Amino acid sequence: ILNVEQSPQSLHVQEGDSTNFTCSFPSSNFYALHWYRWETAKSPEALFVMTLNGDEKKKGRISATLNTKEGYSYLYIKGSQPEDSATYLCAFILWFNFNKFYFGSGTKLNVKP
Amino acid sequence: DTEVTQTPKHLVMGMTNKKSLKCEQHMGHRAMYWYKQKAKKPPELMFVYSYEKLSINESVPSRFSPECPNSSLLNLHLHALQPEDSALYLCASSQEEGVNTEAFFGQGTRLTVV
Repeated sequence: ILNVEQSPQSLHVQEGDSTNFTCSFPSSNFYALHWYRWETAKSPEALFVMTLNGDEKKKGRISATLNTKEGYSYLYIKGSQPEDSATYLCAFILWFNFNKFYFGSGTKLNVKP
Repeated sequence: DTEVTQTPKHLVMGMTNKKSLKCEQHMGHRAMYWYKQKAKKPPELMFVYSYEKLSINESVPSRFSPECPNSSLLNLHLHALQPEDSALYLCASSQEEGVNTEAFFGQGTRLTVV
């Protein structure tokens, strides 16, 4: 069994706060780490695909970092807005089976106006 | 078109019924997936089709039967389900090769077995 853990499970912040959450995964046989945003009643949507140790990716106010040697990735949201409210999922992929995504349970973010 | 379309959005079925979930994508993706998600749990992989052939079956009970009629369509046939099979069923697709293998998901079918 391969464990992908996300913390915290849920987070409540005020509009304008910056926040971050963690995805932990095995440090061996790494191929890629994906971040998805899943808004209620919508489809999960890919935010980032991260493949190299030390990768940093940014999309607007959201950014992510990757440390494959220690097995973690951080997702940062700067100046949270109510529309950022969603569940954020990470998915770990092994190099020898890139069709199999191991998902974490997600971090549910609620941004209050 | 970057959409994965799933039908129906909601389904209520009895334990003796036979029903099918459908999934369609027109992005030219050659890998298609069925996931099952229960509340507050991560999506669990059920099946993967690669180039229209079943490549992964995660020991799913035979009451779930996948079918890939062509490269754009994926079905999940349901028969004699149990109440514990009630869940959100997500379809996804991705490129088969290369590092940009992010999955594109449908909105899911919320299944209730009564």
